[in-house]
Amino acid sequence: RKEVEQDPGPFNVPEGATVAFNCTYSNSASQSFFWYRQDCRKEPKLLMSVYSSGNEDGRFTAQLNRASQYISLLIRDSKLSDSATYLCVVNALNTGFQKLVFGTGTRLLVSP
Amino acid sequence: DVKVTQSSRYLVKRTGEKVFLECVQDMDHENMFWYRQDPGLGLRLIYFSYDVKMKEKGDIPEGYSVSREKKERFSLILESASTNQTSMYLCASSSNDLTQYFGPGTRLLVL
Repeated sequence: RKEVEQDPGPFNVPEGATVAFNCTYSNSASQSFFWYRQDCRKEPKLLMSVYSSGNEDGRFTAQLNRASQYISLLIRDSKLSDSATYLCVVNALNTGFQKLVFGTGTRLLVSP
Repeated sequence: DVKVTQSSRYLVKRTGEKVFLECVQDMDHENMFWYRQDPGLGLRLIYFSYDVKMKEKGDIPEGYSVSREKKERFSLILESASTNQTSMYLCASSSNDLTQYFGPGTRLLVL
């Protein structure tokens, strides 16, 4: 089983739609969770951290469900510029050092 | 503004060549990482370093080595390039809050 699993998509949505992605993780000891965004042929960039209580940043809302070991990202009022691949990221311990494990990403296409 | 730079955006090498990929960060970060990214496989950690002259193997270190002589610079070395090392290579750095900042990537083609 992969450490972090995501639906690869693509999710095709019209402008203004609400879209949600889920991601599951296998390591119950993970403590830190993130969503990164990666535009085509560019590097990943941090979109938002995911806190236990859930958090919101403008049109983006992230939720964590520890019992079921999944995190979600909700995008409201989708814009054309939201088209990108969204990477789910969790931390893991590697011989005492923190490292990040990246999912393979969910591709979002927002159309006019 | 945070900045991670990589020495080349595109690189073409022949099988058996020694390849150096350089990464420099200007954020005084302790931790630096090298990943490769392939379609369907996502980002996979090759090596990381948490201090000058320190290095740790990631998930796929075979065929690679690294060097960190200065805090701001982390180099990835392919001792003898092979075609299965054709990939996008991404360098990242972080302080202790885990947020990683990535360079623009190097697309390496090994012929």
